[in-house]
Amino acid sequence: DIQMTQSPSTLSASAGDRVTITCRASQNIGDWLAWYQQKPGKVPKLLISKASSLESGVPSRFSGGGSGTEFTLTISSLQPDDFATYYCQQYKSFSYNFGQGTQLQVK
Amino acid sequence: EVQLVQSGAEVKKPGESLKISCKGSENSFTRYWIAWVRQMPGKGLEWMGIIYPGDSDTRYSPSFQGQVTISADMSITTAYLEWSSLQASDSAMYYCARRGCNGGSCYLEHWGQGTLVTVSS
Repeated sequence: DIQMTQSPSTLSASAGDRVTITCRASQNIGDWLAWYQQKPGKVPKLLISKASSLESGVPSRFSGGGSGTEFTLTISSLQPDDFATYYCQQYKSFSYNFGQGTQLQVK
Repeated sequence: EVQLVQSGAEVKKPGESLKISCKGSENSFTRYWIAWVRQMPGKGLEWMGIIYPGDSDTRYSPSFQGQVTISADMSITTAYLEWSSLQASDSAMYYCARRGCNGGSCYLEHWGQGTLVTVSS
């Protein structure tokens, strides 16, 4: 089973900051990685698929990168609406494990 | 617009059985894999399993194999998640989600609103 590890678990930042969340896979998953945003009490929302492909309607300040075992989610200039929890998720051979999540909170 | 509508919140006692549902809004429901995801209170997302309603091909996460049963009825575009004997530790929010794929990379593209299951004596 492929394990996904996100870092940091909690990230404190201010509006306007550039932030990066890292996700590491326990084995090579190519570019088979997605990122989701979840706000308290809300349904998770797909932000990025195939490691770097931005979903329609997602602001361009979000970007994804990486391949193999190390991936990043970057928010170029934090907006108040971006404070949420972010999850990576891998897909390989009908396994869809998520990372443990990164809570992005206001500094 | 793709919509997945889940059944309402449930309150059950330990040992009871439960089947929750996820109804798709369109006929193409049978051509997409539908996953179930658990979120325990204050915790992260856990993939439980996935089903292809067209032929009921089902795959489970090792963590949930034998603990739950996933099924589907394509005639009514509905997927199900079922427990035969609930435990307090099954208390959680459960989401269904439709899988999308892009060049071999798959993800959970459309999500239901969630079903809150509370198991308490």
